[in-house]
Amino acid sequence: DAGVIQSPRHEVTEMGQEVTLRCKPISGHNSLFWYRQTMMRGLELLIYFNNNVPIDDSGMPEDRFSAKMPNASFSTLKIQPSEPRDSAVYFCASRQRGDRESKASTDTQYFGPGTRLTVL
Amino acid sequence: SQKIEQNSEALNIQEGKTATLTCNYTNYSPAYLQWYRQDPGRGPVFLLLIRENEKEKRKERLKVTFDTTLKQSLFHITASQPADSATYLCALRSYNTDKLIFGTGTRLQVFP
Repeated sequence: DAGVIQSPRHEVTEMGQEVTLRCKPISGHNSLFWYRQTMMRGLELLIYFNNNVPIDDSGMPEDRFSAKMPNASFSTLKIQPSEPRDSAVYFCASRQRGDRESKASTDTQYFGPGTRLTVL
Repeated sequence: SQKIEQNSEALNIQEGKTATLTCNYTNYSPAYLQWYRQDPGRGPVFLLLIRENEKEKRKERLKVTFDTTLKQSLFHITASQPADSATYLCALRSYNTDKLIFGTGTRLQVFP
């Protein structure tokens, strides 16, 4: 398996521009998570989906951020308009969400390599 | 407020010694606690999971303890090697949610 795939790996853009980050989860996984990592705040959960449905977006900083998961194999995180404070590494992770009895064994999240975003 | 704390300062140890990393939490009732390893420029990689009713978990040279009374987990790497140098993150998941909340991580440097 190729693992979680993210694109682009690096993105440099100017303030005010729209940025779209992409993620392909591991085939067969039914939960997908978007995180943001900075030195100051560490790894923060932005939003997660179960079976393509957004479950919790309380970590999304503001209306400039939006995420979609149109199907089980693709998700996007969009920032419009981007600002310098959005500069960070954005990670996507996926997981096979099991039933209640087997939850412990399926709680592992598999992370992609991340997208390093720089907003000038 | 909920908080997960790990030593922000780097831990430097000599090869062959045991490294011990600490994860403390407040205002959580975790169902599970996990430890991840992160290398520079890469995403975190899962290492171990321990449930709230488990005291200890082992995997090869790794050992995790979980004390829900002290609200603390310890992560041990025995016979440490330079290849163990990385940042180690603890993460908690509470009941009735799929959210995993991460600590800020501790950087481990193992010197030959």
